Amino acid sequence: GDSVTQMEGPVTLSEEAFLTINCTYTATGYPSLFWYVQYPGEGLQLLLKATKADDKGSNKGFEATYRKETTSFHLEKGSVQVSDSAVYFCALVYAAGNKLTFGGGTRVLVKP
Amino acid sequence: DTGVSQNPRHKITKRGQNVTFRCDPISEHNRLYWYRQTLGQGPEFLTYFQNEAQLEKSRLLSDRFSAERPKGSFSTLEIQRTEQGDSAMYLCASTASNYEQYFGPGTRLTVT
Repeated sequence: GDSVTQMEGPVTLSEEAFLTINCTYTATGYPSLFWYVQYPGEGLQLLLKATKADDKGSNKGFEATYRKETTSFHLEKGSVQVSDSAVYFCALVYAAGNKLTFGGGTRVLVKP
Repeated sequence: DTGVSQNPRHKITKRGQNVTFRCDPISEHNRLYWYRQTLGQGPEFLTYFQNEAQLEKSRLLSDRFSAERPKGSFSTLEIQRTEQGDSAMYLCASTASNYEQYFGPGTRLTVT
């Protein structure tokens, strides 16, 4: 079946450091890919998405590129802030309106 | 529009008791999803509705679980004869059949 694998956390880094969270997927077709973020005490929020190969999703300084050849969708940010401390989830879906399949989440802690 | 709401936010129950959770989606959204998230894991799909029709159920949804969406508006998720393994965060999401699912804050269930 379909699955999403993320690097395990926690990832601890200093403010203004570069962040990468690896995400790879296993799927029989060509899904759309997402990153969701969960801030402490809050619900899941969509951070960015890419619906086809080579698309780049971006939001709030975060970027991820849909790489079909490596079945990956790694999340990057060039300079993190303390406010970026959260749990990040990679997810896939096959068609608009269908269920999401999530990875296990990666906790990120940014220290001042 | 105040987003997806869920009630209660927290529920503590004794093993063997029945519990019911409610989800109110964003008003114009015709699809509604239930997910379950255990500590340190990503959300797992349980079931979803398009309007009042329940279109898919995960094998995670045992016979003790039932969900309804009367009149295609709010939804309820009932767990009968709760077990300690049911302790989790139950998440509701809705969408207008595009890719972005909007999540509620969740209901945290603790079975003692």
